[in-house]
Amino acid sequence: GAVVSQHPSRVICKSGTSVKIECRSLDFQATTMFWYRQFPKQSLMLMATSNEGSKATYEQGVEKDKFLINHASLTLSTLTVTSAHPEDSSFYICSAREFGNRKSTDTQYFGPGTRLTVL
Amino acid sequence: GESVGLHLPTLSVQEGDNSIINCAYSNSASDYFIWYKQESGKGPQFIIDIRSNMDKRQGQRVTVLLNKTVKHLSLQIAATQPGDSAVYFCAEVLSGGYQKVTFGTGTKLQVIP
Repeated sequence: GAVVSQHPSRVICKSGTSVKIECRSLDFQATTMFWYRQFPKQSLMLMATSNEGSKATYEQGVEKDKFLINHASLTLSTLTVTSAHPEDSSFYICSAREFGNRKSTDTQYFGPGTRLTVL
Repeated sequence: GESVGLHLPTLSVQEGDNSIINCAYSNSASDYFIWYKQESGKGPQFIIDIRSNMDKRQGQRVTVLLNKTVKHLSLQIAATQPGDSAVYFCAEVLSGGYQKVTFGTGTKLQVIP
């Protein structure tokens, strides 16, 4: 089946530094990838929709200058948390939508998540 | 804004019994609904989905029921096993555009051996 990977799986950084998280579709092409954030004991909240070759679409309340998204190829999207602060500590999950998939439902595949801890 | 929510945050079930996890949604325009299972520290795992023009769909040990009249969705797990312990999310999707998935609040299922 379709596999989405994320790297790193865990990262600890100091306050004020930037962290890059990668999301890769391993065996399919993804024109659209999604980035979610999940705080402990809460649901997944969509942050932005990433489209290959174009600017990301951010959800209301998500700072685009703080959460930089780049979707440079059909298999890779990156999320950079700039000037990270402790309140940015969270579980970041990406999903990828398969290009050209003819299935009627659930064309999105989720990655395993990245645990970010900002000290 | 419209959202998807759950009635019970935690559900404890004896191993071997059936589990029923409920979800209420408010966006009547949603085209289909998905149930996900999320184990601790992992990403969501697709369980089953159902289109808005269906009332019921069955998978292996799981059944999803959709009641559009009251905007209610449920996930039934037959013969619950310890490996079923996880947080379950319902989600809704609007077709067209980027097909954003909107997650509900989640229910933690605890299976008692």
